[in-house]
Amino acid sequence: QQQVKQSPQSLIVQKGGISIINCAYENTAFDYFPWYQQFPGKGPALLIAIRPDVSEKKEGRFTISFNKSAKQFSLHIMDSQPGDSATYFCAASISGPGNQFYFGTGTSLTVIP
Amino acid sequence: DAGITQSPRHKVTETGTPVTLRCHQTENHRYMYWYRQDPGHGLRLIHYSYGVKDTDKGEVSDGYSVSRSKTEDFLLTLESATSSQTSVYFCAIRKGQGLTPLHFGNGTRLTVT
Repeated sequence: QQQVKQSPQSLIVQKGGISIINCAYENTAFDYFPWYQQFPGKGPALLIAIRPDVSEKKEGRFTISFNKSAKQFSLHIMDSQPGDSATYFCAASISGPGNQFYFGTGTSLTVIP
Repeated sequence: DAGITQSPRHKVTETGTPVTLRCHQTENHRYMYWYRQDPGHGLRLIHYSYGVKDTDKGEVSDGYSVSRSKTEDFLLTLESATSSQTSVYFCAIRKGQGLTPLHFGNGTRLTVT
């Protein structure tokens, strides 16, 4: 059973456009929601993270929007660039000793010049 | 750079042979994790460790064992490799407790023929 559901599986965006990736979860005990960016041959790297007591967090061109009541969160990439072409994973975890992270299935983003 | 080294980076082995993957961290972080990454499944937790000789199972632990005799090293062993264990394996650390993210190594690509 997938704890975190991610969509779309793939996304093609024109340079300068907005990329939007969505995730949904069921377990209301989750209290930490990071997003990871992964390039081919590399491990996932932390991009941005949010806690459920915050509805939005912005870092540069990357913004997380969080809807606690709907149990959904999304990543928005503004002014998308070819260098943003990568696979993006959302995740959720429950804080505590050895807390486990549950990952979405990933979104392959291609930004066309 | 999260200070994580995984070895080997690539390995091809035959069905039924034992395989050990190594994860080495340069910092003395308590929590270490092994994930596997497969298309359509995202990242799934195999085992994790919360200290020397302290380990626990994740959601896909069958067929895998781990050991942690030193803080800096976390070993993943496939006792008798099967084709279903063909995957990319990632080691991760968590720097501290509470709401902290995972930091990943660059992975080991394992092919079981």
